[in-house]
Amino acid sequence: GENVEQHPSTLSVQEGDSAVIKCTYSDSASNYFPWYKQELGKRPQLIIDIRSNVGEKKDQRIAVTLNKTAKHFSLHITETQPEDSAVYFCAASSSGYALNFGKGTSLLVTP
Amino acid sequence: DTGVSQNPRHKITKRGQNVTFRCDPISEHNRLYWYRQTLGQGPEFLTYFQNEAQLEKSRLLSDRFSAERPKGSFSTLEIQRTEQGDSAMYLCASSLGSVPERGYTFGSGTRLTVV
Repeated sequence: GENVEQHPSTLSVQEGDSAVIKCTYSDSASNYFPWYKQELGKRPQLIIDIRSNVGEKKDQRIAVTLNKTAKHFSLHITETQPEDSAVYFCAASSSGYALNFGKGTSLLVTP
Repeated sequence: DTGVSQNPRHKITKRGQNVTFRCDPISEHNRLYWYRQTLGQGPEFLTYFQNEAQLEKSRLLSDRFSAERPKGSFSTLEIQRTEQGDSAMYLCASSLGSVPERGYTFGSGTRLTVV
C-alpha cells in the first residue's frame, strides 16, 4: 500500500522565518496531496492541497510544491507567526477516497 | 450545520465492553469516512461510505470493528470487546464527491480510553 514519509518530525523556527516540511510517497498513482494543520486537542484542518496536474500552489503565506518524478512534495510557510505552531500532516491519495498520512511535523514558532 | 459533529467527545470504558460512536456529517456531503489516530501518529483510514453503502471496509482493524450508515446521513462506529490497544482518537470526515475533487472536512473526534 501507499507509504508516506514526512520530515522533519519536529521543527523550531523564529517568528518571521520560513518553515519547510517535506514528504515522499511510494505509490506513483497518487494524484491528490493535502496538508492538514492540527492544534492540540483539535481536529485536523485542511490548509492547502495540490493535485497531480499542478506543480505548485500558493495561498498567502503557504505554498506547496509537487515533484511527481521524484515522488515528493513540500509545504512552505513564509513569515511564520506564533499561531502557526501546530502539528502539520501531509497525505497522499491514489484511491479517490482514502488518505494516507505521514507521521506529522510538530512546528514551534518562537517569538 | 457548520461542520462534522462527533459524539461523545470523550469515552472511558473498561476492557471488554462495547462502545459506539456517532458521526453527523455536513448535510450535503454524500461520503463519510472513519479514521483512527493514535498519539504521535497521523490519522489511519478505517472505512468509508458513499450514501448508505459501505464501499471499503478491508482496512477496519479487526472483526471487532464495524460501522453503519443506515440512512445515508449519520454513521456509527462500534468496537466490540474493547482492548487497551483500542485507546485512540476516532475521527470522522465527510466530503462531497471524491477526495481529489473536494477534499475532506474532519470532525473533532471521539477520544477513547480503555482501562
